[in-house]
Amino acid sequence: KAGVTQTPRYLIKTRGQQVTLSCSPISGHRSVSWYQQTPGQGLQFLFEYFSETQRNKGNFPGRFSGRQFSNSRSEMNVSTLELGDSALYLCASSVPLAGASSNTGELFFGEGSRLTVL
Amino acid sequence: AQKVTQAQTEISVVEKEDVTLDCVYETRDTTYYLFWYKQPPSGELVFLIRRNSFDEQNEISGRYSWNFQKSTSSFNFTITASQVVDSAVYFCALSEPFSGGYNKLIFGAGTRLAVHP
Repeated sequence: KAGVTQTPRYLIKTRGQQVTLSCSPISGHRSVSWYQQTPGQGLQFLFEYFSETQRNKGNFPGRFSGRQFSNSRSEMNVSTLELGDSALYLCASSVPLAGASSNTGELFFGEGSRLTVL
Repeated sequence: AQKVTQAQTEISVVEKEDVTLDCVYETRDTTYYLFWYKQPPSGELVFLIRRNSFDEQNEISGRYSWNFQKSTSSFNFTITASQVVDSAVYFCALSEPFSGGYNKLIFGAGTRLAVHP
C-alpha cells in the first residue's frame, strides 16, 4: 500500500513569490491535514480537509490556503512568501471518521516538502 | 489552554541502556487522546501509539512501553535496551476531538534521542 506522497520534496523560493505544495493521501483516506514544522515553533497544525471541505484551521494568516480535490488529493498554497515561511511542510492522511471512538488522530505522514525562502 | 511539554530537548545514551522520554500535557477536556510519534532523519512522522483519556492502562510493545498517569498529566515513553536504530526525534502529542478536532494534534517540542554504539 503506497504511503502519503508529497511533491516537491525540496524547493527554493524568494520573498514575495508564491508556492503550491501537493499531497496524495493513502488510497481510501479522505481526510488530509497539513502541518508546518520549524525549528522555532515546532510542529503546528495548518488545516484539515475532508470531502473537499476545510474542516478545521489552525492559527495561520490568510496567506496560507489549501484545497482538496474529489480524489482526496490536496494542495496547499502560500502566497507572498516571507523568510519565516521556510519550513518543512508535512501532509498527513487518515481514515474517514465513523464515530466518536474512531479516527482518533492516527495520522499517516508523508516525508514533507522542505521550503526555503530566500 | 491545551499544551504538551517535553522538557528533555536531547538525550544521549549508549546502546542497550534504557531511556525514558517524558511528556506532560495540559487540557481542560475530559475526552482527549495522547500520542507518540517518531521522526527519523527522512522527515516523516511515524505513529507509535495512541491512548485515550479513559484508558490509563500501561502498554508494552516489544522494547517500547508507555506509562499514562492522569493524576500527574503525564504520558511517558520508555525504550528498553536501546538500539542505534532508535535514534530519532520523538514527539508527544494531544488531540481534543470535541473542542479542537480529531486530526488537530498539538505537539510537544520533541526530544532528540541519540543512541551511540
